[in-house]
Amino acid sequence: AQSVSQHNHHVILSEAASLELGCNYSYGGTVNLFWYVQYPGQHLQLLLKYFSGDPLVKGIKGFEAEFIKSKFSFNLRKPSVQWSDTAEYFCAVIDTGGFKTIFGAGTRLFVKA
Amino acid sequence: SQTIHQWPATLVQPVGSPLSLECTVEGTSNPNLYWYRQAAGRGLQLLFYSVGIGQISSEVPQNLSASRPQDRQFILSSKKLLLSDSGFYLCAWGGVTDEQYFGPGTRLTVT
Repeated sequence: AQSVSQHNHHVILSEAASLELGCNYSYGGTVNLFWYVQYPGQHLQLLLKYFSGDPLVKGIKGFEAEFIKSKFSFNLRKPSVQWSDTAEYFCAVIDTGGFKTIFGAGTRLFVKA
Repeated sequence: SQTIHQWPATLVQPVGSPLSLECTVEGTSNPNLYWYRQAAGRGLQLLFYSVGIGQISSEVPQNLSASRPQDRQFILSSKKLLLSDSGFYLCAWGGVTDEQYFGPGTRLTVT
């Protein structure tokens, strides 16, 4: 069965620190990959997605993620975080042609001003 | 642009009472629709999805059911709520590259 593992449940950073959130998935076929973000008091929303092409994808607010197929990984990065990046981040995967998106357990990021 | 509505925003119900949560989508036709339950520290659990009117797939055996009476309406129901049904329920529709667009959610507390 498909699964998604997010390495850290809670991360605390100071402003301007670099961020990398780990995500690994288990599935042998072709997948589409996503990062979603939920800011305090807001809807869960799409941050970025990979479905083909360049494995380095860029999303909103300076976030990027790299798909490494050999490692089944899709880690999220940001060179310099801001206080406004405080949120919960979810990695997700779906096999192409399927209907069921599998979500990781989420990582709560707190950025200290 | 597409918009997704859920109501109510919060709900407190006694054990054994019925449940009906509604989700409607605007600005798109024949969307794939989804119900999720979000639990703290456990991510999102897919409960049901629908690819068309009257077509419901259940992912988890449980005390809940879903219906899709109209193209852009998706309803989550229960005949008798359990304490374990408490949680945050999210409705979503699926985009062309399988991304999900989520509604604001309903916080259900069963007492």
